[in-house]
Amino acid sequence: DGGITQSPKYLFRKEGQNVTLSCEQNLNHDAMYWYRQDPGQGLRLIYYSQIVNDFQKGDIAEGYSVSREKKESFPLTVTSAQKNPTAFYLCASSLWTEHPNSPLHFGNGTRLTVT
Amino acid sequence: SQQGEEDPQALSIQEGENATMNCSYKTSINNLQWYRQNSGRGLVHLILIRSNEREKHSGRLRVTLDTSKKSSSLLITASRAADTASYFCATDLKAAGNKLTFGGGTRVLVKP
Repeated sequence: DGGITQSPKYLFRKEGQNVTLSCEQNLNHDAMYWYRQDPGQGLRLIYYSQIVNDFQKGDIAEGYSVSREKKESFPLTVTSAQKNPTAFYLCASSLWTEHPNSPLHFGNGTRLTVT
Repeated sequence: SQQGEEDPQALSIQEGENATMNCSYKTSINNLQWYRQNSGRGLVHLILIRSNEREKHSGRLRVTLDTSKKSSSLLITASRAADTASYFCATDLKAAGNKLTFGGGTRVLVKP
């Protein structure tokens, strides 16, 4: 089955450590996205990528970094500069961002806890 | 405030009843999408309505869009306990390079 895989499901880190969240898709989608969700809140866009080797900042990119070396993979690094990193992180993909009617397909998220 | 804002924030109904939730937005859109999220999981796309459409159906779901009022509604008919989830609207803004902007969601509890 095609889909998006995020790993791990739960991640615990000490403050001051960088941590990388994995996102892999086999849907052959061009575009991939990272969202952050806080308890009881909606989703906020961190970074997105329309094609390999290119990505753009979303609304809350500070303290995060990404790479897009392969079409299938879009890892997110939460750096020690992110002031409040504890959250639920969701990765998504779509056919392409320029298509106005392209729904997002989501992974099942990684819950990151930093203490 | 967020572009898409759902109302109510939470809704509790009995199985078999209808559930209606609304979404308001502020600027012109290409389309509006509704997603569902079960607790601790990713979002699942439910339905997309284009800016030139007024109503759309999918199974027990009915979505309306009123661009003059900048609002949309999602109706779930004959609700089931399995419909318990959070529901989010997402707007595809013309001014935002077609990136989706999500509202805060409506938490729906369907009691058996």
